[in-house]
Amino acid sequence: SQTIHQWPATLVQPVGSPLSLECTVEGTSNPNLYWYRQAAGRGLQLLFYSVGIGQISSEVPQNLSASRPQDRQFILSSKKLLLSDSGFYLCAWSVVGQRETQYFGPGTRLLVL
Amino acid sequence: AQSVTQLDSHVSVSEGTPVLLRCNYSSSYSPSLFWYVQHPNKGLQLLLKYTSAATLVKGINGFEAEFKKSETSFHLTKPSAHMSDAAEYFCVVTSGDSNYQLIWGAGTKLIIKP
Repeated sequence: SQTIHQWPATLVQPVGSPLSLECTVEGTSNPNLYWYRQAAGRGLQLLFYSVGIGQISSEVPQNLSASRPQDRQFILSSKKLLLSDSGFYLCAWSVVGQRETQYFGPGTRLLVL
Repeated sequence: AQSVTQLDSHVSVSEGTPVLLRCNYSSSYSPSLFWYVQHPNKGLQLLLKYTSAATLVKGINGFEAEFKKSETSFHLTKPSAHMSDAAEYFCVVTSGDSNYQLIWGAGTKLIIKP
C-alpha cells in the first residue's frame, strides 16, 4: 500500500532563517506531487505541483520554492522565512492523470517568530 | 473562474440526528466536485466525489452528497451523526484553468453533541 511521510511535524523558526520541509511517498511510482498551505479558517491553497523529477510548477508567487530531486521526494524550501510563512503545510500525491483523488500527508505546522 | 462557498463555518448537531453541510460552487464548465474530511491531528481524506455520473454520490462512513446543477450545490448529508464524525469538512471543485488545481472551500467544522 502507499504511504506518504512528512517531516518535521512541527517547526519553530526565526524570521530570516532558511526552511526545508521534506515529503516522501512509498508504494507508488511517478506520482503527481503537491504542496499546499492551509491557513486557519481557510481552505487549502496550492503552492506547487510536480509531474516528474525536476518538473515544478508554481501556482502563486511567494517566498517559497520547491524541488523534486527524486521520483518520490518533494521538498519545500525558503532562503529567508517571513512571518507570513507561518501555517500548516501539507504534501499530497495523486496518480498521474487523476488529480481528483489526492492522498495527503500528516502535515507540518510551521511557526515563524 | 471557479469558486466554492461553504455556507457555514461551524455546524453543531446532536448525536443520532441528521447532518447537513452546505456547499455552493461557481463554474463556467461542468466541474468535478468532492468532499474531503480532516479529523483532528490526522491528514485529509477523500470522503466522496462526483465526476458527472450519478448525481447522488455515496461516500465512506454513511455520508452522501447530491449534485444539483440548477442550484449549483453539492451539499453533504448523513442521516444519523456519530461522535466519530466530529471533524472539519472541505468542499472542493476542479479548476478549469489548470489540470492540477483543485479549488478548496474554507471548511466547515462539524461538532457532535452527546
